[in-house]
Amino acid sequence: EAGVTQFPSHSVIEKGQTVTLRCDPISGHDNLYWYRRVMGKEIKFLLHFVKESKQDESGMPNNRFLAERTGGTYSTLKVQPAELEDSGVYFCASSQEGIREQYFGPGTRLTVT
Amino acid sequence: QKEVEQNSGPLSVPEGAIASLNCTYSDRVSQSFFWYRQYSGKSPELIMSIYSNGDKEDGRFTAQLNKASQYVSLLIRDSQPSDSATYLCAVEGVRFGAGTRLTVKP
Repeated sequence: EAGVTQFPSHSVIEKGQTVTLRCDPISGHDNLYWYRRVMGKEIKFLLHFVKESKQDESGMPNNRFLAERTGGTYSTLKVQPAELEDSGVYFCASSQEGIREQYFGPGTRLTVT
Repeated sequence: QKEVEQNSGPLSVPEGAIASLNCTYSDRVSQSFFWYRQYSGKSPELIMSIYSNGDKEDGRFTAQLNKASQYVSLLIRDSQPSDSATYLCAVEGVRFGAGTRLTVKP
């Protein structure tokens, strides 16, 4: 069974540009989570999808971040326009319905210059 | 006060010893607790979950939960150099501590 995949693995963009990160959860996992880890800090929750619905988006930092999960399969996280403080590793995780144990993807390292 | 607190370490133990990793949390109503292992440059990997007070054992790992004290710990018996990693405590699945770096010396 394939694990959680994320694309791209690395992205370097300039301040003001737009970046879209993609996450493909484990097949059949209804729950999909986005996290961000800034260097030296703890992993911070961004939001949680149950199928295509946003269950909890309390961790989204501001309206420059937009997450979607059309059709309840893969998800995208768009940052527009990117700021320097958006740099970090963005992790996606998924879990089965009703289960809190999460499986993490490899992460996308975003660098905003 | 941070929501989930862990000693950052580094914690160093000799091979074969017991490593003890601790975590405290602030939200008294929390019900689910998780330990993840993260190797440098890699993503977190789930080790164990615990929901009830007491001990839960899985191989060389034992998770301990005390909800009254808002404390959860992870014991690693017979520590191996391959256990050297950062261990992350997560509460309710989504609130993470900063992690404790463990080094097991041969």
